[in-house]
Amino acid sequence: AQSVSQHNHHVILSEAASLELGCNYSYGGTVNLFWYVQYPGQHLQLLLKYFSGDPLVKGIKGFEAEFIKSKFSFNLRKPSVQWSDTAEYFCAVNSNTDKLIFGTGTRLQVFP
Amino acid sequence: DTGVSQDPRHKITKRGQNVTFRCDPISEHNRLYWYRQTLGQGPEFLTYFQNEAQLEKSRLLSDRFSAERPKGSFSTLEIQRTEQGDSAMYLCASSSTGTGSYNEQFFGPGTRLTVL
Repeated sequence: AQSVSQHNHHVILSEAASLELGCNYSYGGTVNLFWYVQYPGQHLQLLLKYFSGDPLVKGIKGFEAEFIKSKFSFNLRKPSVQWSDTAEYFCAVNSNTDKLIFGTGTRLQVFP
Repeated sequence: DTGVSQDPRHKITKRGQNVTFRCDPISEHNRLYWYRQTLGQGPEFLTYFQNEAQLEKSRLLSDRFSAERPKGSFSTLEIQRTEQGDSAMYLCASSSTGTGSYNEQFFGPGTRLTVL
């Protein structure tokens, strides 16, 4: 069965610090990979997605993620975080079925 | 607002009561999904429709849960004989199977259910 692991449950950073959130998935076939973000009081929004092609994917608000097939990983990065990036971040995967399998999420707090 | 909408946003009910939630997807989207999210967890898939056909149901979905999408537009999720363990945020999402947008799901604000 597919599963997604997010290793960092709670991350606290100061503004301008660099961010990397880990995501590993278990599935041997072709996958589509996603990062969703949930800002306080708002609904889930897509940050970025990987379907095929260039394994380095750029998303909104300066976020990027790198798909490393050999490591079954899809880590999210941002070189310099802002206070407004405070949110919960979810990694998700799907493959031959249409349902999304989500990780447990990482809560990011950015202090000014 | 042309996003996914859900109604109600909050529902408080007593154990044993039935509840029904509604989801209106983005108008041109033919796929509609239901997920459940509990505190500290990511959303868990419950079921999804393509047009009016229910294509997949999770093993999480007990017999007390039923979902419909009668005309391929809005959907309802009903929980019968609610239990305290049903307390969660129920999320709806929609997507299109059109070229270039496959599998990108857009989420609604959710319905928060509290069972007393």
